[in-house]
Amino acid sequence: DAKTTQPTSMDCAEGRAANLPCNHSTISGNEYVYWYRQIHSQGPQYIIHGLKNNETNEMASLIITEDRKSSTLILPHATLRDTAVYYCIVVKEYGNKLVFGAGIILRVKS
Amino acid sequence: DVKVTQSSRYLVKRTGEKVFLECVQDMDHENMFWYRQDPGLGLRLIYFSYDVKMKEKGDIPEGYSVSREKKERFSLILESASTNQTSMYLCASSLDGQLLSPLHFGNGTRLTVT
Repeated sequence: DAKTTQPTSMDCAEGRAANLPCNHSTISGNEYVYWYRQIHSQGPQYIIHGLKNNETNEMASLIITEDRKSSTLILPHATLRDTAVYYCIVVKEYGNKLVFGAGIILRVKS
Repeated sequence: DVKVTQSSRYLVKRTGEKVFLECVQDMDHENMFWYRQDPGLGLRLIYFSYDVKMKEKGDIPEGYSVSREKKERFSLILESASTNQTSMYLCASSLDGQLLSPLHFGNGTRLTVT
């Protein structure tokens, strides 16, 4: 599975949009981009996934570049409860396991 | 909502003890997983199971075994606990046989081996 690269951390003001970048330059055609987050003292939580089209759900939006080498997770109105580690993962269509990297620490500040 | 329940939140065991970590999911999911999480190393897959009585090794299976006698329950066994197995253990499940189904995680068991 392709590797992903994320910044170590970022800050965001409460109420503003949080844009979390992810690079996956070696992604192949049958690999999907997944995002999970992990709030302190909890297990990871699924957020969203996509192949090449942009996706939106009640939690977030996922923007994937046309060449699919990078993506951005957007939390439209960040709250303090969105403070967490966010993991960007690339998954083969018929792959048999997920590999979680270090993720990006998002701190939402009032 | 899918619920993945891990039997203990915190566990302290002695070196050499046999340790059982239990995980139950309530949504009839096919796949179940055991990960461990350590600072600086992220989440690492120990074992997974895609059906009752089936199991597959993950990236770090050494020192661990698993059991899946019923669809809803996946147990992780440390045959002889060692201090390097002190970690946060996370169980997860997903709906069907393809990894594209999102994983649902429990809240973890923090195991300390002394």
